[in-house]
Amino acid sequence: AQSVTQLDSHVSVSEGTPVLLRCNYSSSYSPSLFWYVQHPNKGLQLLLKYTSAATLVKGINGFEAEFKKSETSFHLTKPSAHMSDAAEYFCVVSEVGQGGKLIFGQGTELSVKP
Amino acid sequence: EAGVAQSPRYKIIEKRQSVAFWCNPISGHATLYWYQQILGQGPKLLIQFQNNGVVDDSQLPKDRFSAERLKGVDSTLKIQPAKLEDSAVYLCASSPKGSNSAYNEQFFGPGTRLTVL
Repeated sequence: AQSVTQLDSHVSVSEGTPVLLRCNYSSSYSPSLFWYVQHPNKGLQLLLKYTSAATLVKGINGFEAEFKKSETSFHLTKPSAHMSDAAEYFCVVSEVGQGGKLIFGQGTELSVKP
Repeated sequence: EAGVAQSPRYKIIEKRQSVAFWCNPISGHATLYWYQQILGQGPKLLIQFQNNGVVDDSQLPKDRFSAERLKGVDSTLKIQPAKLEDSAVYLCASSPKGSNSAYNEQFFGPGTRLTVL
């Protein structure tokens, strides 16, 4: 069965410093992997997606993630945090043949200090 | 392009009452999903429709929850009767691709926050 583990429930960084949000997945086949962001009282927004093309995926707002099959990881990074990045981030996995079903991690809350 | 619309945005009811949520997906999107997001957790799929047929409702508590998607467009999710543990945000999402697609980006609505007292 597929699953996602986000290793940190809360991450706090200072503005201008790098961001690292960690995610490990479990999947029987070749998964599609996503990162979604959820700002307070707003809907989920897709940041980036991996679908078996390039292992380094670039998303919106300067975020990127690297798919590492040997480590079953899909960590999200950003070189320099901005105050507007403060939000909840979800790592998500989907498998071929599972009807497009998305399995969400528990979420990581990112705080950005001035 | 208009996004996924949901209403109401907030609802407060007492336990054992009934409640219904409405979702209007992005025009032309074949697949529609309802998720339940309990505070502090990631969203969990309740039911998935492709057009007006149910693809997956394995996680839907069918003794109290029901959903329909008449005419393959709008959808309603109903809870009858509500329990305290149903307090959550109910998210609707839609996707342009069919349920067998290898890659299926979903577009989410703002959600309905339900509080059961």
